[in-house]
Amino acid sequence: RKEVEQDPGPFNVPEGATVAFNCTYSNSASQSFFWYRQDCRKEPKLLMSVYSSGNEDGRFTAQLNRASQYISLLIRDSKLSDSATYLCVVNVNSGYALNFGKGTSLLVTP
Amino acid sequence: DAGVTQSPTHLIKTRGQHVTLRCSPISGHKSVSWYQQVLGQGPQFIFQYYEKEERGRGNFPDRFSARQFPNYSSELNVNALLLGDSALYLCASSPRTGEGQYFGPGTRLTVT
Repeated sequence: RKEVEQDPGPFNVPEGATVAFNCTYSNSASQSFFWYRQDCRKEPKLLMSVYSSGNEDGRFTAQLNRASQYISLLIRDSKLSDSATYLCVVNVNSGYALNFGKGTSLLVTP
Repeated sequence: DAGVTQSPTHLIKTRGQHVTLRCSPISGHKSVSWYQQVLGQGPQFIFQYYEKEERGRGNFPDRFSARQFPNYSSELNVNALLLGDSALYLCASSPRTGEGQYFGPGTRLTVT
């Protein structure tokens, strides 16, 4: 079983739509959680950390459920510029490594 | 502030050769990590260095080695290159372990 699993998509949504991505992780000792965004042939960029209480950054909301080992990202009012691959990332082993999911592809259309 | 920088940006090597990739972290960041990303996959962890000491190693063969210098820059070395080593090699830095990491633009290595 993969340590971090995501639905690869693609998710095709119209501008203005709300879209949600889900992710599960297998290691219950995981300590830190993040969402990264990666544009085609570019490096991953840190989008936001994910906290147990849930957190919001503008149009983006992240949730963590430790009991179910489940992480989510909600994007409201999608923009064309949100088109990218979204990577779910989990940190274990006292922070030595980030474990990445394969990513979920999002395409926002006019 | 300057972000993470990596050199070279692109590299073409032949099977059996050796390659050295370089990384400079964000100023003030003491932790440097290396990742390999092949097409269609998320980045895979190779090494992490903190304060010049190796703190973690991923599931990669001994052909892969790295080091961190006193100025916190880092090198990744790969010996006896195989076709399967063709990938984007990413360097990331963070102020401390356990925090979000910031990635450089990567070195795209092609092995022929």
